[in-house]
Parts: sequence; C-alpha cells; structure tokens
Amino acid sequence: KQEVTQIPAALSVPEGENLVLNCSFTDSAIYNLQWFRQDPGKGLTSLLLIQSSQREQTSGRLNASLDKSSGRSTLYIAASQPGDSATYLCAIPPYGQNFVFGPGTRLSVLP
Amino acid sequence: EAQVTQNPRYLITVTGKKLTVTCSQNMNHEYMSWYRQDPGLGLRQIYYSMNVEVTDKGDVPEGYKVSRKEKRNFPLILESPSPNQTSLYFCASSPLAGGPIGELFFGEGSRLTVL
Repeated sequence: KQEVTQIPAALSVPEGENLVLNCSFTDSAIYNLQWFRQDPGKGLTSLLLIQSSQREQTSGRLNASLDKSSGRSTLYIAASQPGDSATYLCAIPPYGQNFVFGPGTRLSVLP
Repeated sequence: EAQVTQNPRYLITVTGKKLTVTCSQNMNHEYMSWYRQDPGLGLRQIYYSMNVEVTDKGDVPEGYKVSRKEKRNFPLILESPSPNQTSLYFCASSPLAGGPIGELFFGEGSRLTVL
C-alpha cells in the first residue's frame, strides 16, 4: 500500500528566503504527483501536476521535481512571501489505487 | 468557470437527523470523491466514484452513503449523523481521460457540526 510522507511537518522562514518542501512515497508505480496549497479552513488549490514521465514542472516562483526511482518529489519556492504561508500537501494516484495524500507541511513566512 | 461546488458550506445539526451534502462539478469529470479532514489526521477518503453508477469505499466509509446517478453530481448522505462525524468535508473531481487519473480539483469544503 502506498504511503506518503512529508518533511518537514512545519517550517518558519523569513521573507525572501528560498525553501524546499519534501514529499516521499513508497511505491514508484504512480501516474502522476500533484502539489496543493491549503489555507486554514479552506479548500485545496492545485499548484502543480507532474506526470510520471516528467522530471519537473514550473509555475511562477514554484518548481516541483519528481524522481520516481528514489520515491521523492520536492517543491521549491523561490523568494518566499508572507502570502505563501499555508499548508502544502502532495498527492499521488498509484496504479490501480486511489489518491493518497501526504500529511502536509505547514509553512509560515515571516515579514 | 470550471469548478466543484459543495452545499451547504456550513451546517449545524443534531444527532440522528439525516442530512445530505451536495457536490456538483461542471468539468465533465469521470472521477469524483469525498474526503473528510480532521486536525492531526489529515485528509481521509470516504467514498469515490470512477463513473456514473460506479462507487467504492475509501478509508472511512462507515456512517456515510453516496450515489452517482448523474456524471456531474455526487451527493454525500449521512443517514444518522453522530458527533464523531463533525468535520470539514471536501468533494473533489478529476478527469480519467481514458486511463490515468488526471489533475484533482477540490470544492471549497463543507464544515459540519453534529451536536
């Protein structure tokens, strides 16, 4: 059964720093990997979707990479801003199974 | 605008009073799913549906029912709500595109309190 972990569980950084969030998974047979952002009490907003054949995707200040062989994905946020404060989750639909979510990383960017 | 719409967004009810949370998507997605989110437990899947008339249990289906009579709608039914079903509920949808599950889109969430 696919298991997804995210490190760190929480992160606090000063504004302007570049940072990396990690997502690890146990089964490399996956269709894709998706990164979400969730503000407190709100829904999940899709940030990036990486297909299994791709190695990375970029959107603005965000860059996500995928290494299936090592079971890892990283989300890189450049020049962080207070508005980036949220919980970031990764999700994976493994072959023949349903979406599995990581527990999330709670990010605080301090002005 | 492409979206997943849930109603109600907020609901306070009492134990045993049947309720339905509606979910509708306008993207012609085959896949739809319900999750609940609780502090410290993350997102847990309740039920999902791969297409019309096809539903299956997720990780925490007890106390819930679903139906998928139309492609766009996937209501969540609590026949006899109990306080342990107090939670934040999310509906999501995704295109299957004839094969791998694609991008997952979420509704805004429904906060349910059962007294």
